[in-house]
Amino acid sequence: DTAVSQTPKYLVTQMGNDKSIKCEQNLGHDTMYWYKQDSKKFLKIMFSYNNKELIINETVPNRFSPKSPDKAHLNLHINSLELGDSAVYFCASSRRASGGTGGTQYFGPGTRLTVL
Amino acid sequence: QKEVEQDPGPLSVPEGAIVSLNCTYSNSAFQYFMWYRQYSRKGPELLMYTYSSGNKEDGRFTAQVDKSSKYISLFIRDSQPSDSATYLCAMSVHGSSNTGKLIFGQGTTLQVKP
Repeated sequence: DTAVSQTPKYLVTQMGNDKSIKCEQNLGHDTMYWYKQDSKKFLKIMFSYNNKELIINETVPNRFSPKSPDKAHLNLHINSLELGDSAVYFCASSRRASGGTGGTQYFGPGTRLTVL
Repeated sequence: QKEVEQDPGPLSVPEGAIVSLNCTYSNSAFQYFMWYRQYSRKGPELLMYTYSSGNKEDGRFTAQVDKSSKYISLFIRDSQPSDSATYLCAMSVHGSSNTGKLIFGQGTTLQVKP
C-alpha cells in the first residue's frame, strides 16, 4: 500500500506545452511538499502546503502553480514548459511542518519530466 | 556558496569497508540533521535523524554532528553491495520559523563492490 504516490511516473512533452503532476498521500499527514531534483541529483524544495495553506514558496518561475484540493493531495501544474524544466519532481509529506521527528518527510517515487 | 556542501563522489569501496560520508554547512541555525538514502530511480528515504550535536547509532550506521565545526558525518560499517545508493544529507532550522523546509546537500553516490 503506497504511502506517497505520484502520477505519472514518466512525462515526455514538447516545449511550450502545459502539463500537470499529481500527488496523493495516505499517511494522514498535514503537510505536503514539491521538490525538484536536477541531473546532478541536487534536490531543492519548491513549494509546501500545510492544511491546504501555502507555507513555502521558493524562487520558482510563476509558470509553476501548485494546488492542494485537500490535505491528502497536492498537484503541480506547469505552463509553457521549457527545456530547463527537465528534471525529476518529487512529492513528499510529513505529519506537520516542523523539524524533529514530526517533520520527517516521506517521499514519493518521483515523476521524470523530459521536455523536448 | 551553497548552504550545504557535499562531495558528490562517486565513491567506490570494496564490500566490508568502512564508509565515511560528510557534509559541511554555513547556517548556524540548523538544528535538525538527517541522512537520506536514494536508490537509483527511487525517492529518498530517511536513514538517520539527529537533533543538535552528538552521535547516533543504528545498526551498521552512525551519524555524527559537530556543530562547532558545522560538519556532519555518516559512517557505514561492514558495507554491503545493497548499500550502493546516493546518500543525501539534509538540514532544517528549529523554532517557530520552521516550516519543515529541508536544505539538502548534493548527494554522494556510493558503490560497494562485491
